[in-house]
Amino acid sequence: SQQGEEDPQALSIQEGENATMNCSYKTSINNLQWYRQNSGRGLVHLILIRSNEREKHSGRLRVTLDTSKKSSSLLITASRAADTASYFCATVSGSSGSARQLTFGSGTQLTVLP
Amino acid sequence: ETGVTQTPRHLVMGMTNKKSLKCEQHLGHNAMYWYKQSAKKPLELMFVYNFKEQTENNSVPSRFSPECPNSSHLFLHLHTLQPEDSALYLCASSQDRQTNTEAFFGQGTRLTVV
Repeated sequence: SQQGEEDPQALSIQEGENATMNCSYKTSINNLQWYRQNSGRGLVHLILIRSNEREKHSGRLRVTLDTSKKSSSLLITASRAADTASYFCATVSGSSGSARQLTFGSGTQLTVLP
Repeated sequence: ETGVTQTPRHLVMGMTNKKSLKCEQHLGHNAMYWYKQSAKKPLELMFVYNFKEQTENNSVPSRFSPECPNSSHLFLHLHTLQPEDSALYLCASSQDRQTNTEAFFGQGTRLTVV
């Protein structure tokens, strides 16, 4: 069953602007992960944030997690045309934190205009 | 390259055909997965194998038959499919003995059933 819900479904911005995508989920989680998918290709893992973490950075990516609101956000700073892709949040529930318990949302389609 | 290779990349088959999708990972992972991605739908987890043993089958029709001969290879055998089975089929792997791990995806097989 679907756990994460991304918002917005689609986002179009100019190169150089920041892009923010949100994810809400329903049940308690072990960790939350963000993935990127270029059109018709496989998913690539971007970043993982544990349930006891509130913020994490990786290059131009910043992820926040608010377990009280059951929500997460992904911020891409100084966007580039090459960032155009679909972005998915995925939650892992259960004590093992195993990736086999990943549940994906429907994704946000980000378009960065040159 | 994620270390997970899927073949073929594209497949067109008739409803009476039998075909197989192949997935291979060189990451030393012990868990492998099949996902189905249809247009405008979240990724659907189909099957999970852990140490070559099937641990999950998410109510997938019997016209899809998985096979995992060893922890590096995963197949999805297809027979008498329906047009609504047309989708992107993604294979993934992870190190299931560790917590807070991510999944590594192949590039997918774009399947069209005619």
